[in-house]
This record gives sequence, C-alpha cells and structure tokens, in this order.
Amino acid sequence: KNQVEQSPQSLIILEGKNCTLQCNYTVSPFSNLRWYKQDTGRGPVSLTIMTFSENTKSNGRYTATLDADTKQSSLHITASQLSDSASYICVVSEGSAGNNRKLIWGLGTSLAVNP
Amino acid sequence: DTGVSQDPRHKITKRGQNVTFRCDPISEHNRLYWYRQTLGQGPEFLTYFQNEAQLEKSRLLSDRFSAERPKGSFSTLEIQRTEQGDSAMYLCASSLSLTVTSTDTQYFGPGTRLTVL
Repeated sequence: KNQVEQSPQSLIILEGKNCTLQCNYTVSPFSNLRWYKQDTGRGPVSLTIMTFSENTKSNGRYTATLDADTKQSSLHITASQLSDSASYICVVSEGSAGNNRKLIWGLGTSLAVNP
Repeated sequence: DTGVSQDPRHKITKRGQNVTFRCDPISEHNRLYWYRQTLGQGPEFLTYFQNEAQLEKSRLLSDRFSAERPKGSFSTLEIQRTEQGDSAMYLCASSLSLTVTSTDTQYFGPGTRLTVL
C-alpha cells in the first residue's frame, strides 16, 4: 500500500529557532512531492513541489529536500516565526507525470512556535 | 481576493437532508478538485474536472454525492440524504494545467465544514 509517513507528529519550538520536518514515502510510481502548510480551519497552502530530478527547493524561509533513492524528504524552516504555527503536510503524487489526481497525503506535523 | 472561494463556510444540517456546496476557482484555472477532510486526517480525493468534464470520481463518492461544473468555471457538490458520517470539511482546489503531462500546483479554498446532526 502506498504510504506517506511524517515525523515528528508534533513539535514545539521557540520563535527564531530552526526546525526540520521529515517525510518518508513508499509511493510508486512516483511523480512529485509537495509540502503544504495548513492552518487550523483553513485549506492547505502549497509551499514547494519537487519532481524526482530535483534535490532541493526553497520558498523564503522554507527549504525542502528530496532524496528519490531513499524516498525521503525534509522541510527545513529557518528563523521560525509565530505565524509558522500550523500543520505541515507532505503529499506525494502517484503515477506518471501529469497524473496529479492521485495524491497520497501524510498526516502532517503539527508545529507550534512559542514566543 | 482572487483565490479559490467556497460557500458556505459552515453548514449544519439534519440527517436525511440534502446539501449543496459551491466552489469558485481561480479565474482561468482549468482543473477543479473536490476533497473531503476529517479531523486529523489528510484530504481524501473525491473527484476532479478538466474544464467542464468530470474525468475521475473516487470510490468514496457514493451515489448520494454528485458534482457538476456546467460551464467550466464554478462547481457544485451536492450530498443527498446526508448521514452523520458525511460530517467533514469539504475542500475545493483549482489549478492551471497547460499540458496533459504538466505538474500543476493546486490552490485550495477555505473549505466548507459540514456537520450532520
């Protein structure tokens, strides 16, 4: 069964600190991997999207890495802010390129940034 | 606001009633997706449209569920004879896919939270 597993399940950090969230997947065939940020009660917001040929992609203070060989990805948040408090969800697209309907969602990491 | 909008944001209904949700995608986006999300879970794919054509429906979409996108712009999702298990957040997302093989970024709306009593 295709799965996406994230760790840790939850994380509490102090404002200004860095953190790294992990995502392991067994989805095959693999098309692309996305990281979303979801605030409570809101729809997910796309942070990054990477195909198998991309190793890293940045979006402001967010940097995602992808190792397609080991099927691992990470999301690094630099200089955290209170507004970073949210759930961060790793999503893997199954199938050939363009088949974006079959998205396998992880359960997310709940991040709390405290002052 | 030029993002994806959904209406209503919240809906409380009694079991057995019909409900209809509306989604307005980002203008000129040709793909529109419907997802269902329950507490603590990731969104589950329900169905998607390429322009006005409904190209795929999940097995989760029972006979009580129907979605339309008549003019290739806004979409509606109707649930007939609602059950308590239908209580969830219903998310709509849209994207612009220039070719069949392009990777599209889906932009999500705020969702409609349905509570079935």
